[in-house]
Amino acid sequence: QSALTQPASVSGSPGQSITISCTGTSSDVGGYNYVSWYQQHPGKAPKLMIYDVSNRPSGVSNRFSGSKSGNTASLTISGLQAEDEADYYCSSHTSSSTLVIFGGGTKLTVL
Amino acid sequence: EVQLLESGGGLVQPGGSLRLSCAASGFTFSSYAMSWVRQAPGRGLEWVSAVSGGGGSTYHADSVKGRFTISRDNSHNTLYLQLNSLRAEDTAIYYCAKAVAGHWAGFDYWGQGTLVTVSS
Repeated sequence: QSALTQPASVSGSPGQSITISCTGTSSDVGGYNYVSWYQQHPGKAPKLMIYDVSNRPSGVSNRFSGSKSGNTASLTISGLQAEDEADYYCSSHTSSSTLVIFGGGTKLTVL
Repeated sequence: EVQLLESGGGLVQPGGSLRLSCAASGFTFSSYAMSWVRQAPGRGLEWVSAVSGGGGSTYHADSVKGRFTISRDNSHNTLYLQLNSLRAEDTAIYYCAKAVAGHWAGFDYWGQGTLVTVSS
């Protein structure tokens, strides 16, 4: 099964908002409200930022928000800060035997 | 404090085997599904395997099915991944990850990872 589709890169200036998309199919993103988003800084383990499409774990800034429409989920980061520069990955439960599928990742650059 | 500590990685020849371990602490281990997720050098995340809290249900990615086996020992709060018939494309950092309560997908805690290198 192919990975979920994310843009390879996005960029924004401090204080701006950016949105990262994550496109799948009705067998994964569109079929379940089990989309998660992870932030990964170089050399570090991923960190959960959003789960169940739009839920933030305790301790995650409310500048991070998630949504879904059809087969596409989105992560929005508002009030961009330098520390937000990282790779971001989406994931979803899938009805295939694979169980969990990740996106290819998006590199966020804060200009 | 939740902690996940992987071990067992290393250099292995193609066709060889390894067993990875993940020692868990800071939560009721048997109550949560656990997964292994890997990341090849310079590449993205790839889910590998998952096991239910009780250990009775397991799932594997098609890319490792028949070669890798996930298991857990709830009496010792430890997750395992047995890697057999290793290939060069299995070279990656392997992370163990704790699932969000009641979920298979959605991982709220990750270990620091253990590197597996498959090369002759």
